[in-house]
Amino acid sequence: EPEVTQTPSHQVTQMGQEVILRCVPISNHLYFYWYRQILGQKVEFLVSFYNNEISEKSEIFDDQFSVERPDGSNFTLKIRSTKLEDSAMYFCASSEAMASEETQYFGPGTRLLVL
Amino acid sequence: GENVEQHPSTLSVQEGDSAVIKCTYSDSASNYFPWYKQELGKRPQLIIDIRSNVGEKKDQRIAVTLNKTAKHFSLHITETQPEDSAVYFCAATGGYQKVTFGTGTKLQVIP
Repeated sequence: EPEVTQTPSHQVTQMGQEVILRCVPISNHLYFYWYRQILGQKVEFLVSFYNNEISEKSEIFDDQFSVERPDGSNFTLKIRSTKLEDSAMYFCASSEAMASEETQYFGPGTRLLVL
Repeated sequence: GENVEQHPSTLSVQEGDSAVIKCTYSDSASNYFPWYKQELGKRPQLIIDIRSNVGEKKDQRIAVTLNKTAKHFSLHITETQPEDSAVYFCAATGGYQKVTFGTGTKLQVIP
């Protein structure tokens, strides 16, 4: 069964550094998402992406964040200048149709630690 | 925006008993309600979902009910087993592509 994959599984970075988290969505999916989960808390929506542009974003997704689909298979989340509070698990997800109609499938996550 | 509340935050049941988790949502336009199970350090996994044109859905030991008028939905797990122990999240779509998660319920099934 196809799965969403994410790399790296863990990333440690210094405050102020840029990080890029990578995701490979399921191949026939058209809608892509990033979520974050601070340890012990709920999953929070960051951004959704369709047809090479952002469809929706949350208040968390400020100018420090950006997303890109650089080729036909990868979907990336860039944090330009990391802060301590960016430490969290970041999940990528994808779906065949929009979230209100179709199940999202989550990747295994990237645990980001900002020191 | 959408706001999803979930109760209880923790739930302990004896193996074989039933477990019920309840959620309420605020956006009457929400029309898709998935439930996810998350084991420690793992990704959320969809266990069941329900759409707004359906009042109840069942899949073996798991069932979900939806009351659109009251804006609440519930997860029912019968004949619980130790492997059901995990954190369960309800979710609702409050917009075009945004999924809002509840705060999670940590379910412990005691053998």
